[in-house]
Amino acid sequence: AQKITQTQPGMFVQEKEAVTLDCTYDTSDPSYGLFWYKQPSSGEMIFLIYQGSYDQQNATEGRYSLNFQKARKSANLVISASQLGDSAMYFCAMRGYFSGGSYIPTFGRGTSLIVHP
Amino acid sequence: GAVVSQHPSRVICKSGTSVKIECRSLDFQATTMFWYRQFPKQSLMLMATSNEGSKATYEQGVEKDKFLINHASLTLSTLTVTSAHPEDSSFYICSAMAGEGYTFGSGTRLTVV
Repeated sequence: AQKITQTQPGMFVQEKEAVTLDCTYDTSDPSYGLFWYKQPSSGEMIFLIYQGSYDQQNATEGRYSLNFQKARKSANLVISASQLGDSAMYFCAMRGYFSGGSYIPTFGRGTSLIVHP
Repeated sequence: GAVVSQHPSRVICKSGTSVKIECRSLDFQATTMFWYRQFPKQSLMLMATSNEGSKATYEQGVEKDKFLINHASLTLSTLTVTSAHPEDSSFYICSAMAGEGYTFGSGTRLTVV
């Protein structure tokens, strides 16, 4: 079975500082994909970053980077230079197990990030 | 990029009525659509997976007769909440696989009064 664990229910960060949101995963598949999504209070799910299990380098997208440690099965999201607009729920997810012709995604419980001015 | 359009974004209905939520893939063909329900400050709860032209696969504990899912074409999937009750009030969001990832609709806030 696949599992995503986010152990931080809530995080606080000062504006302009960096913050790391933790994510560990468990899977027996050698090939998998890991994602981070941002969900502001409006409810939309915004894709932030993707890391493939065979990617040699850590993924980066602007202020977002993914600290991928395969041996530790961790895929932490690093947000540099936090902005007030970064306040939201953040979900770590895995392109999950294959069933019925599709990959069923697995989501973590989420981390609520609040950026203080 | 791949876009999923979800409507309505917000709906209020009377107890006992039915509500239909639509998700359309605008610039790609969504063979599979995932339907989620989300309670405040909680994660997404997968309700069902629909594949175009076949019956949806429901997760354990989800009432098939209450949450009717239809995926009649490669660009349209619908979720109908039948005989809605106040406990069905929630945030519903759809998602489709596009490339290596998942793209989401903007969600529907359903309030049953």
